[in-house]
Amino acid sequence: LAKTTQPISMDSYEGQEVNITCSHNNIATNDYITWYQQFPSQGPRFIIQGYKTKVTNEVASLFIPADRKSSTLSLPRVSLSDTAVYYCLVSFSGNTPLVFGKGTRLSVIA
Amino acid sequence: AAGVIQSPRHLIKEKRETATLKCYPIPRHDTVYWYQQGPGQDPQFLISFYEKMQSDKGSIPDRFSAQQFSDYHSELNMSSLELGDSALYFCASSTRGSGTYQETQYFGPGTRLLVL
Repeated sequence: LAKTTQPISMDSYEGQEVNITCSHNNIATNDYITWYQQFPSQGPRFIIQGYKTKVTNEVASLFIPADRKSSTLSLPRVSLSDTAVYYCLVSFSGNTPLVFGKGTRLSVIA
Repeated sequence: AAGVIQSPRHLIKEKRETATLKCYPIPRHDTVYWYQQGPGQDPQFLISFYEKMQSDKGSIPDRFSAQQFSDYHSELNMSSLELGDSALYFCASSTRGSGTYQETQYFGPGTRLLVL
């Protein structure tokens, strides 16, 4: 399993764009990159998934360079409600269990 | 939209007692996962089931067992409870998918277990 490394914490003001970078140097050919968000005392929630290049949905964008050794989650114009822990996960395709590493605790300040 | 249901939401037990946690997956989801999250910790995978068969096993203690029933709901049985078992227990469900990408797992609200 590819090990992931991401910042322990980040602070941002409301309205700013937040970029959280995750490194996964040992990512395998069949691995996908997935990001989950977790609020205190709630279950993790899927944000976005990608394999290469750029993926965008209604809440975030995911940028993956050609070598796939890192990925960047971009949250546009964060609000106070985006304060949460964000997990970067690398996993095989299919129905493999999620392996959570140390996530990034994002604090959004008014 | 229907979500994953877990019961009970809160549970208090004494050491050495037993506990049963229940999980009802999203309709038409055939795969169930159990995760444990201790205080200040990250979620850790315990065990998963697909079509009532165990599919993957993580760091689940021997004191714990689980199964998936014909209606796809799952139960996590915990015996000889220890203080260290106090944690949030999440159940997640997904469809099986074709295997070409990582299937999204939908998490329930969790059961908070406190062992005294």
